[in-house]
Amino acid sequence: RKEVEQDPGPFNVPEGATVAFNCTYSNSASQSFFWYRQDCRKEPKLLMSVYSSGNEDGRFTAQLNRASQYISLLIRDSKLSDSATYLCVVNSGTGRRALTFGSGTRLQVQP
Amino acid sequence: DADVTQTPRNRITKTGKRIMLECSQTKGHDRMYWYRQDPGLGLRLIYYSFDVKDINKGEISDGYSVSRQAQAKFSLSLESAIPNQTALYFCATSESRDYRLQYFGPGTRLLVL
Repeated sequence: RKEVEQDPGPFNVPEGATVAFNCTYSNSASQSFFWYRQDCRKEPKLLMSVYSSGNEDGRFTAQLNRASQYISLLIRDSKLSDSATYLCVVNSGTGRRALTFGSGTRLQVQP
Repeated sequence: DADVTQTPRNRITKTGKRIMLECSQTKGHDRMYWYRQDPGLGLRLIYYSFDVKDINKGEISDGYSVSRQAQAKFSLSLESAIPNQTALYFCATSESRDYRLQYFGPGTRLLVL
């Protein structure tokens, strides 16, 4: 079982739609969670951290469910520029000084 | 100018050849990382370095070696390239105080024939 699992998609949605992605992680000791965005053939960039109480950044909302070991990303009012691959990223506990990346969920926003 | 640069950006090589990928950063970060990305597998950590004298293996270090020549430079070598090392390679950096936020270079596309 992969440590971080995501639906690869693609999710094809019209402009203005609301879309949500989930990601599950296997290590219950995981402490930190992030969403990174990766445009085609480009480097990943941090989109947002995910906090236990949930957090928003403009049209983006991230939530964490520790009991079920999943995190989610909700995008409201989708824009064409939101088309990208969204990577779920987990830092698994103390002593492990590195991040584990999911394989990503591809989003295509259509006009 | 980019904060994290990688050279070369694209490389085609033959099986058995030695190849070096280089990474430089101007962010002043202590920590540097090498990842490879394959379709459907996400990014996987090859090696990481906390400072010039502290280098650690990641989850897929076999077939690779690294050198941290200076705080700003971290090189990845394939001593004898094989076709399944064909991938997109990323270098990344982070601060010691928040290693969770990583800044990536633009990537190197490597094709091993």
